[in-house]
Amino acid sequence: SQTIHQWPATLVQPVGSPLSLECTVEGTSNPNLYWYRQAAGRGLQLLFYSVGIGQISSEVPQNLSASRPQDRQFILSSKKLLLSDSGFYLCAWNTGTSTYEQYFGPGTRLTVT
Amino acid sequence: DQQVKQNSPSLSVQEGRISILNCDYTNSMFDYFLWYKKYPAEGPTFLISISSIKDKNEDGRFTVFLNKSAKHLSLHIVPSQPGDSAVYFCAASQYGNKLVFGAGTILRVKS
Repeated sequence: SQTIHQWPATLVQPVGSPLSLECTVEGTSNPNLYWYRQAAGRGLQLLFYSVGIGQISSEVPQNLSASRPQDRQFILSSKKLLLSDSGFYLCAWNTGTSTYEQYFGPGTRLTVT
Repeated sequence: DQQVKQNSPSLSVQEGRISILNCDYTNSMFDYFLWYKKYPAEGPTFLISISSIKDKNEDGRFTVFLNKSAKHLSLHIVPSQPGDSAVYFCAASQYGNKLVFGAGTILRVKS
């Protein structure tokens, strides 16, 4: 069966510091991968998605970036965090030939201080 | 522009009764709709979905209804249980891949 991992689970970082969140998927090949953010009291906002290694589409202009160095690894990064980057970051996957359901990881709670 | 709207931030229901969660959308090109359930500090869990070619889909206690002319869908939970207490997100998709989520509705089932 497929599983998705995210780490760290929680993170407190000062403004201006760098960020690296990692997501890995097991049990499937060539998944579509997604990064979402849920701000406090808000819905899920799609940040990036990837249909293959090195292929990244950005949905929202911001100081975040994403990379996919391996088939089942998706990384969310920032060179300098802003207060507004605080939120709950979720990674999700689905298969390229599946229906539209996406399956989410446990999330990372990021607090920028 | 909020393409998917969940206008009720919260809903409180007695255990055993029906819970009805509503969702409206504006983009008539959406062809697939999904409901997710989310507990605090966890990722959303897929519940049920419906294609735009159907008007109803049922899975156990969960039924989703789609009214395309009104651009409205609803999730019915019967009977409601305390474990159903969570945030419910409606999502919509056009041609796959990208999902657009509503802001969520907090459901509280009282025992």
